Amino acid sequence: RKEVEQDPGPFNVPEGATVAFNCTYSNSASQSFFWYRQDCRKEPKLLMSVYSSGNEDGRFTAQLNRASQYISLLIRDSKLSDSATYLCVVRNSGNTPLVFGKGTRLSVIA
Amino acid sequence: DAGVTQSPTHLIKTRGQQVTLRCSPKSGHDTVSWYQQALGQGPQFIFQYYEEEERQRGNFPDRFSGHQFPNYSSELNVNALLLGDSALYLCASSRFPDEAFFGQGTRLTVV
Repeated sequence: RKEVEQDPGPFNVPEGATVAFNCTYSNSASQSFFWYRQDCRKEPKLLMSVYSSGNEDGRFTAQLNRASQYISLLIRDSKLSDSATYLCVVRNSGNTPLVFGKGTRLSVIA
Repeated sequence: DAGVTQSPTHLIKTRGQQVTLRCSPKSGHDTVSWYQQALGQGPQFIFQYYEEEERQRGNFPDRFSGHQFPNYSSELNVNALLLGDSALYLCASSRFPDEAFFGQGTRLTVV
């Protein structure tokens, strides 16, 4: 079983749609959780950290359920510029390396 | 602040050759991690350097080696290249507990 698993893509949605990505992780001792965004042939960039209380940044909402070892990302009112691959990322403790999921590709269509 | 810079941006090598990739971390960062990203996959951790020592290593063969210099810059070396080593190689720098920043990557093609 992979340490971080994500929904298979791609997701093709119209502009203005709401889209949700899900992710599960296998290490119950994991401490830090993130969503990264990666544009085609570019480096990953931090989109947002994910906290147990849930957090929101504009149109983006992230949720963490430690009991189910489940992370989600909700994008409301999708824009063409949201088209990218979204990577679910976990850090097990301290200064340990990031563990990435395979990524889910989103295409927002006009 | 130049951020994380990697060189070269693209590289084509022949099977069996050796390659060296370079990374300069973001100013103030002391930890460098290297990742390999194959097409359609998420980045896979290769190893991490801190205080000029390899601190952690992922599931990669000994053909992959590295170094960190006193100025915190780092090199990734791959010997005896295989076709399967073709990938985007990403360097990430950080200073615990702050977030890691990635360089733009080096796209390696082995023919």
